[in-house]
Amino acid sequence: SQKIEQNSEALNIQEGKTATLTCNYTNYSPAYLQWYRQDPGRGPVFLLLIRENEKEKRKERLKVTFDTTLKQSLFHITASQPADSATYLCALRSGGYQKVTFGTGTKLQVIP
Amino acid sequence: ETGVTQTPRHLVMGMTNKKSLKCEQHLGHNAMYWYKQSAKKPLELMFVYSLEERVENNSVPSRFSPECPNSSHLFLHLHTLQPEDSALYLCASSQVQGMPQHFGDGTRLSIL
Repeated sequence: SQKIEQNSEALNIQEGKTATLTCNYTNYSPAYLQWYRQDPGRGPVFLLLIRENEKEKRKERLKVTFDTTLKQSLFHITASQPADSATYLCALRSGGYQKVTFGTGTKLQVIP
Repeated sequence: ETGVTQTPRHLVMGMTNKKSLKCEQHLGHNAMYWYKQSAKKPLELMFVYSLEERVENNSVPSRFSPECPNSSHLFLHLHTLQPEDSALYLCASSQVQGMPQHFGDGTRLSIL
């Protein structure tokens, strides 16, 4: 069956360090992968999209990689700040099938 | 202001009540979605509308009834809900189905 796993339910990191979140999938052939941020009591906010033929995408302090051989995406936040504390969700869309499926999310806590 | 507005933000209802959740998007998008979000579970897609036509219904119980009167508005009519239906209900829109979604901040529903 299709499955999306995000590496851990929670991740604590010291301010200023790079946070790395993992999204692994099985039995998918995703056309592209999306990352969202969700704050408590709020809806998810779209951050980045990376296509299957792209290895890496950057936006300010954010970097996403996509390895279709390993069936994995890594989401990096460099120079992390307490304001980066939130839950981060990955979502996959399979080619030719427009449904987007979400992972359970990783709760990131950046400690001052 | 996310561009997607959901009302009410909180709703407490008994199992025999009838209520409706409302979603409005001001982004000119053609696809709209209802999701259910429960603790420690991934976002569960309930319904998708594309150009005001329902294109997906993920085996949702009939006590949930969606309505999309135009491309800017989406409703979720609730009737005879169960305690396990207590959750955060999120509405989202996207330019077309499958593309990055803009979410509202949800309705926190509690069934007594």
